[in-house]
Amino acid sequence: QKEVEQNSGPLSVPEGAIASLNCTYSDRGSQSFFWYRQYSGKSPELIMFIYSNGDKEDGRFTAQLNKASQYVSLLIRDSQPSDSATYLCAVRVISNFGNEKLTFGTGTRLTIIP
Amino acid sequence: GAGVSQSPSNKVTEKGKDVELRCDPISGHTALYWYRQSLGQGLEFLIYFQGNSAPDKSGLPSDRFSAERTGGSVSTLTIQRTQQEDSAVYLCASSPVRWNEQYFGPGTRLTVT
Repeated sequence: QKEVEQNSGPLSVPEGAIASLNCTYSDRGSQSFFWYRQYSGKSPELIMFIYSNGDKEDGRFTAQLNKASQYVSLLIRDSQPSDSATYLCAVRVISNFGNEKLTFGTGTRLTIIP
Repeated sequence: GAGVSQSPSNKVTEKGKDVELRCDPISGHTALYWYRQSLGQGLEFLIYFQGNSAPDKSGLPSDRFSAERTGGSVSTLTIQRTQQEDSAVYLCASSPVRWNEQYFGPGTRLTVT
């Protein structure tokens, strides 16, 4: 089982609708979760991060954590064509050797349809 | 303020040559990371520096890869005797706290011919 998994998509959402992106993780002890947006040919850009103590809302973006089911979601309200990108989920994990690292999913490609 | 910068933005090299990629992190960030992203693939962790501590080299794919960080700031990733499979975008990131939110540079696109 991969440490961080995302549906590769593409996920197509009409403009103005809510886009919902999910990411599952395997390490039950993970406490930090990050969402990045990556436009084609560009580097990842940090959108939001949350800790295990709660969800976060920032403008049109909301990050939610479901610890029991071990997944984290990113909701994008009032989707715009400019939101079309690949969204990467990253989870801070501690390896069997006690080393910390940020493990990235392979990303979900989101397309907003005008 | 200034973000993470990387140079060169593009590098084309012949198989067997050595290349050096440079990363200048955000001022004040103690942690610095190198990743590699092949076309259509996810991010592959290469190496991590935290302050003056010994780096975590666990992600380096072979001994042809090495990196250093001078004065706790600028970092250089060196690939010796490049191979075609080394072709990828090499991304550098920095963070104010280890393994917390990371900010990426624009990347260096390496093409080995």
